[in-house]
Amino acid sequence: EVQLLESGGGLVQPGGSLRLSCAASGFTFSSYAMSWVRQAPGKGLEWVSAISGSGGSTYYADSVKGRFTISRDNSKNTLYLQMNSLRAEDTAVYYCAKTAGAYCSSTSCYFDYWGQGTLVTVSS
Amino acid sequence: QSVLTQPPSVSGAPGQRVTISCTGSSSNIGAGYDVHWYQQLPGTAPKLLIYGNSNRPSGVPDRFSGSKSGTSASLAITGLQAEDEADYYCQSYDSSLSAHVVFGGGTKLTVL
Repeated sequence: EVQLLESGGGLVQPGGSLRLSCAASGFTFSSYAMSWVRQAPGKGLEWVSAISGSGGSTYYADSVKGRFTISRDNSKNTLYLQMNSLRAEDTAVYYCAKTAGAYCSSTSCYFDYWGQGTLVTVSS
Repeated sequence: QSVLTQPPSVSGAPGQRVTISCTGSSSNIGAGYDVHWYQQLPGTAPKLLIYGNSNRPSGVPDRFSGSKSGTSASLAITGLQAEDEADYYCQSYDSSLSAHVVFGGGTKLTVL
């Protein structure tokens, strides 16, 4: 059974940093690209970032480029999102999601499994 | 403003059929990229409902179906049930943005 368990969310001041983790199990982690998708309170889904199965390719939404860094440790089956220079508009539930292929390509960048999410609140 | 446009809400009585539209442009759906659909029940994470325009993952009832034509896609739900009340999101790939992945704004389905 595929399981994705996020952690690391919490309250942080504007300009601060936070690191999210997502522990994966139930599939060959290194064979699949992974993504972070966020959802602001009462709002829709917004894709944030993706990383290929090997970790060699990364992709970011313009809204987080230069501030967020996605990474993975395939030996630990864990996905990370380092978030710096946080803003109030980054407040959201952050979901870890498994993609259907090894890369976030035009044919395989959809999300067949999701974690339960972790809440990030950016406020003073 | 979402790149993909969905109606904010739809409703239907139990047993009825409803459809949810998803309109894109020549850089996403119109470019031939697949459309995928997700169901988000209240207070839960999204769940993949339809992938590759019209394919259902294992375990998704055949009451749910998807289609795509031109720059738009649709999700149809037949034999509406109370447990179908949820938010539904379409998603595709976009070649004009560095974002790669784009979502619709979501549609709230109310079962009357």
